[in-house]
Amino acid sequence: ILNVEQSPQSLHVQEGDSTNFTCSFPSSNFYALHWYRWETAKSPEALFVMTLNGDEKKKGRISATLNTKEGYSYLYIKGSQPEDSATYLCAFFWDSNYQLIWGAGTKLIIKP
Amino acid sequence: DGGITQSPKYLFRKEGQNVTLSCEQNLNHDAMYWYRQDPGQGLRLIYYSQIVNDFQKGDIAEGYSVSREKKESFPLTVTSAQKNPTAFYLCASIPSTTGAGYGYTFGSGTRLTVV
Repeated sequence: ILNVEQSPQSLHVQEGDSTNFTCSFPSSNFYALHWYRWETAKSPEALFVMTLNGDEKKKGRISATLNTKEGYSYLYIKGSQPEDSATYLCAFFWDSNYQLIWGAGTKLIIKP
Repeated sequence: DGGITQSPKYLFRKEGQNVTLSCEQNLNHDAMYWYRQDPGQGLRLIYYSQIVNDFQKGDIAEGYSVSREKKESFPLTVTSAQKNPTAFYLCASIPSTTGAGYGYTFGSGTRLTVV
């Protein structure tokens, strides 16, 4: 059974601090790894789509890295702000299937 | 602005009743998806459609049905055969059927509760 694990489940971070969390996925038959941000009462929003081992992507204060050989991706947030409070989802695209396998998410709460 | 519209936002179903959740997109996307979210779990795929008049079962299709008569519309019916329908339902789409490289666009969801 394919499984995507995200850790930690939840995280409280002081405003201004930097943080990171992990997405682990099967390292075989890799096609792509997606990161999404899901704010309360809004739709999930795509942050990054990563396809190559060693990929590093950046969007403002948020960046992500990808290691397909060992099956993990890190999401980093630099200088956390209250608007970063959200659940961050990762999803793994395997083989040529059209289905994403989703992690349960990391809930990030920024304390002012 | 282009996007996905899901309605209603909240839906209450009585035992034995069928209900239909609407999903409409004006993005001209080929592929559309229905997901279910339960607390503490990742999104689980119910059905997906890559082209008009065609759709495929996902991991948890039992008790659900869909149609894709128009490119922009992908309604989901929760039938009385679905024994535990209380959940949050999300609709999503991507531009192309070769989907690995595209981020999904999501609607804002429908929360279904059995009363």
